Amino acid sequence: DAGVTQSPTHLIKTRGQQVTLRCSPISGHKSVSWYQQVLGQGPQFIFQYYEKEERGRGNFPDRFSARQFPNYSSELNVNALLLGDSALYLCASSPGGGIQETQYFGPGTRLLVL
Amino acid sequence: SQQGEEDPQALSIQEGENATMNCSYKTSINNLQWYRQNSGRGLVHLILIRSNEREKHSGRLRVTLDTSKKSSSLLITASRAADTASYFCATDARMDSSYKLIFGSGTRLLVRP
Repeated sequence: DAGVTQSPTHLIKTRGQQVTLRCSPISGHKSVSWYQQVLGQGPQFIFQYYEKEERGRGNFPDRFSARQFPNYSSELNVNALLLGDSALYLCASSPGGGIQETQYFGPGTRLLVL
Repeated sequence: SQQGEEDPQALSIQEGENATMNCSYKTSINNLQWYRQNSGRGLVHLILIRSNEREKHSGRLRVTLDTSKKSSSLLITASRAADTASYFCATDARMDSSYKLIFGSGTRLLVRP
């Protein structure tokens, strides 16, 4: 079975631009979570979606938004990019809605903001 | 602030030796998980231990949990060069009506051949 997939793998943007990152969960998984990982640190929770509804939101500004589609894939949007948004963005899926469950991570999208 | 903090930040050992990493957290938890990350790629789940469990094994991995001290340890026995990676603990933290998963800053393990 295919694991969690993310696209694109790498992205370069300039300050003020907008970016959309995509994630496809493992087949049968209904929950998708997004994390931001800055170099040298652990992943920081951004959002969790379950059954197309937002389940949880971390301490990120409103420039960050996400949605989940009927096929359970998800998009993360970041507006008005700042240099500090440069990071590895990780998507994780799980079968149910509990964030305490084992999370299955994708390879990530590496975003560089210039 | 981080819920979980790993100790040490970095660890260098010889192949065949054991590696022990520790994690401390601040609030009560349902589960504690350990993940591995190779060279800034996606995280791989290693083991989940529930709050009512004290010890769990998986192959060469042994995890302990002490909820009274709010701490956990990950032991990798007979380490291999392929174990070189960053290791993170993750705990669930309640926020309003839901939970979020909080990762520590990680332990970078280097296993020398």
